[in-house]
Amino acid sequence: EVQLVESGGGLVQPGGSLKLSCAASGFTFSGSAMHWVRQASGKGLEWVGRIRSKANSYATAYAASVKGRFTISRDDSKNTAYLQMNSLKTEDTAVYYCTRLVRYYDILTGYYYNWFDPWGQGTLVTVSS
Amino acid sequence: EIVLTQSPGTLSLSPGERATLSCRASQSVSSSYLAWYQQKPGQAPRLLIYGASSRATGIPDRFSGSGSGTDFTLTISRLEPEDFAVYYCQQYGSSPKITFGQGTRLEIK
Repeated sequence: EVQLVESGGGLVQPGGSLKLSCAASGFTFSGSAMHWVRQASGKGLEWVGRIRSKANSYATAYAASVKGRFTISRDDSKNTAYLQMNSLKTEDTAVYYCTRLVRYYDILTGYYYNWFDPWGQGTLVTVSS
Repeated sequence: EIVLTQSPGTLSLSPGERATLSCRASQSVSSSYLAWYQQKPGQAPRLLIYGASSRATGIPDRFSGSGSGTDFTLTISRLEPEDFAVYYCQQYGSSPKITFGQGTRLEIK
């Protein structure tokens, strides 16, 4: 079964740090780009950032709202991705999901298709004093 | 950044009715990079449609997607009780330009 399980969420004070983990199983983790998406309570989905595979130099990218404060990394030997969050703000309070980017090339159409699947169950991060 | 605007914000329908959800992009989006997700309370999003019109594995055929360019549609032909949820469209541009619509809440009338 293809599965992602996040952990590491909790309560942290403004200015503090927290590291989330995303454990993968059921697919070739090392070949997959992994993304983080967050959702504040009652709000929509916001893309946070991603890390590509070793074949793509473990390249990372981040949303403007977290750039310089958040860092995504991975350990392919443990099938795990991480989200290190520093200088946390109250507006970072959200459920954080990790998800795999599926990239598929359709030889008939000549197009690449991208979508996110699966998603982890999410882990809640609360930034409050 | 491509902004996705979903309408309506809330759609109130009865089981058995047809639902039509819209997703409009601020500039043209490649159809192959447009996906739809369903999210129920307390759950993670679930992939429904990728490539604007291809159903994900295990998704019932009452769900269909269509559209191109800046206008995309998710249609649920006959609503089942389990279909009442929030639906998001999403486009995959060049990172960091991955964006989601604000969601359409489908509620029981």
